[in-house]
Amino acid sequence: EADIYQTPRYLVIGTGKKITLECSQTMGHDKMYWYQQDPGMELHLIHYSYGVNSTEKGDLSSESTVSRIRTEHFPLTLESARPSHTSQYLCASSTIRGLAGRHYIDEQFFGPGTRLTVL
Amino acid sequence: QQPVQSPQAVILREGEDAVINCSSSKALYSVHWYRQKHGEAPVFLMILLKGGEQKGHDKISASFNEKKQQSSLYLTASQLSYSGTYFCGTAAYSGAGSYQLTFGKGTKLSVIP
Repeated sequence: EADIYQTPRYLVIGTGKKITLECSQTMGHDKMYWYQQDPGMELHLIHYSYGVNSTEKGDLSSESTVSRIRTEHFPLTLESARPSHTSQYLCASSTIRGLAGRHYIDEQFFGPGTRLTVL
Repeated sequence: QQPVQSPQAVILREGEDAVINCSSSKALYSVHWYRQKHGEAPVFLMILLKGGEQKGHDKISASFNEKKQQSSLYLTASQLSYSGTYFCGTAAYSGAGSYQLTFGKGTKLSVIP
């Protein structure tokens, strides 16, 4: 079944540790995204990728980095975690598909999220 | 620019109707609506394209007025399962043949018995 996966679902870690949040999708989507979302708050785009070897920073400044070596995999790394990084991180993927020959739509599918707590 | 959603929050009784609005200052290509339940990831509801189309999904429908750069989400005869935060995402041309999706701050909808 085509889906998007994130691991771990929950992570509690001490300040200064290096962490990598994993995101994989089996839908063959070209575009992938990382969002940061505090509970009950808005979605902030922190990174996106339009394909292999393509990565861009999003609207919200982030100390994290990403890589896209394979289409299906888009990991996010924090070199040195801090309490200010405590948040939920959502991964999403999408692909452009044509509609009626004129329009192109881009529907994002979200993973279940990783809830990160840095002590 | 981030689209503006209104209201920020609304409380309904089962069976009542609600309208959530989304507006942007940029020329839009499409508007996307998502619903996020507490503790879960956002789920896609529908997308509206240029051309002022309307769409429906069960008793949830939406319209897109491209001249005003506005979209509205209509929830009729609300059910308890409609509770959640509704996000609109607006897609505008970002150059090099691509469109960037930007989400609003969300509207928290609570349906009570």
